[in-house]
Amino acid sequence: DAGVTQSPTHLIKTRGQQVTLRCSPISGHKSVSWYQQVLGQGPQFIFQYYEKEERGRGNFPDRFSARQFPNYSSELNVNALLLGDSALYLCASSGSGFGDTAEYFGEGSWLTVV
Amino acid sequence: ILNVEQSPQSLHVQEGDSTNFTCSFPSSNFYALHWYRWETAKSPEALFVMTLNGDEKKKGRISATLNTKEGYSYLYIKGSQPEDSATYLCAFPRNAGNMLTFGGGTRLMVKP
Repeated sequence: DAGVTQSPTHLIKTRGQQVTLRCSPISGHKSVSWYQQVLGQGPQFIFQYYEKEERGRGNFPDRFSARQFPNYSSELNVNALLLGDSALYLCASSGSGFGDTAEYFGEGSWLTVV
Repeated sequence: ILNVEQSPQSLHVQEGDSTNFTCSFPSSNFYALHWYRWETAKSPEALFVMTLNGDEKKKGRISATLNTKEGYSYLYIKGSQPEDSATYLCAFPRNAGNMLTFGGGTRLMVKP
């Protein structure tokens, strides 16, 4: 079975541009979460979606938005990119989306903002 | 603000050594505690999800214990092997939803 897949794997953007990152969860998983990881720190929670509804949002500015599609895949959008948005963006899926179930992570999308 | 702390930040051991790391988390409103292993150039992989005080879980040479009353969990690796080299992360769900707050991780390097 395919794991969580993310695209693109690497991308370079210029300050002020917009970026869209994509995630396909494990088949049958209805919850998708997004995390940002900068070097030297643990991943930081950005969004969780379950059954196409936003279930939670982390402490990120409104430049960050996401959505989940009927097939449970998800997109993360970041507008007006800043240098500080350079990071690894991880997507994770789980069946129930509750805290007592493990998250399954993709390999991430590396975003560099120049 | 949830604080999840891990120590040490990094650890170098020789092959065959046993080692352990610590994760501390808020003891109030406990729901679960996750451990993940993250190897370079791969995706984080779930090791354990622990929910009960006193819980002890084992997977091969890796085991973990949980103390929810005092807010800590230990991860043990017995007889470390070079393939155990990775960053070990613990994570605490913010509430019943799986919105995880991660610690900074412990980077383990096992020398052959």
